[in-house]
Amino acid sequence: QVTLRESGPALVKPTQTLTLTCTFSGFSLSTSGMCVSWIRQPPGKALEWLARTDWDDDTYYNTSLKTRLTISKDTSKNQVVLTMTNMDPVDTATYYCTRHYSGSSPYFASWGQGTLVTVSS
Amino acid sequence: QSLLTQPPSVSGAPGQRVTISCTGSSSNIGAGYEVHWYQQLPGRAPKLLIYGNNNRPSGVPDRFSGSKSGTSASLAIAGLQAEDESDYYCQSYDSSLSGSVFGGGTKLTVL
Repeated sequence: QVTLRESGPALVKPTQTLTLTCTFSGFSLSTSGMCVSWIRQPPGKALEWLARTDWDDDTYYNTSLKTRLTISKDTSKNQVVLTMTNMDPVDTATYYCTRHYSGSSPYFASWGQGTLVTVSS
Repeated sequence: QSLLTQPPSVSGAPGQRVTISCTGSSSNIGAGYEVHWYQQLPGRAPKLLIYGNNNRPSGVPDRFSGSKSGTSASLAIAGLQAEDESDYYCQSYDSSLSGSVFGGGTKLTVL
């Protein structure tokens, strides 16, 4: 059974750096074709894909946020970490981590419950 | 502004059939990238409903179906039920962004 759980601060101040951790079980990120992505959703708004890390150490970023994002993985701990710098109130959102497979148009079958991050002074 | 355009809302009476459109461009749906659909109940994580344009994961009723043509895709829900009232999102890949993209979401109301 695949499970993912997001953890991190519920509240961050503007200009601070956000660090979120995705702890997962039921699969290994060292398995060929395996990937983990972060997706966020501002309250009442649409989903937005943020970043992805693959089994082969490749990483991909949303081009509009690329300068602020870093995704990394610790295969031994079954964790993926997302950092986002220079947080702003518009970054207030529920952040999800998802497991998926590589491919030309990957889809997200397994999701964590999400963690709400509020950016406010 | 989402690269995939969905109607903000659709509605239908119980038992009816409704469709939700998802319009893209030559850099995503029109380029041949597959379209996927998600259902999101209030306060919950999205749930995969359709993958690869028209495939249902195990457990998804066959009332839900997907199609794709040109630069657009559609989700059809037949025999509408009260429990189908939810937000629905389409998703694909965009070559100009080198990443996944979502539609703006559609709220389905069962009258």
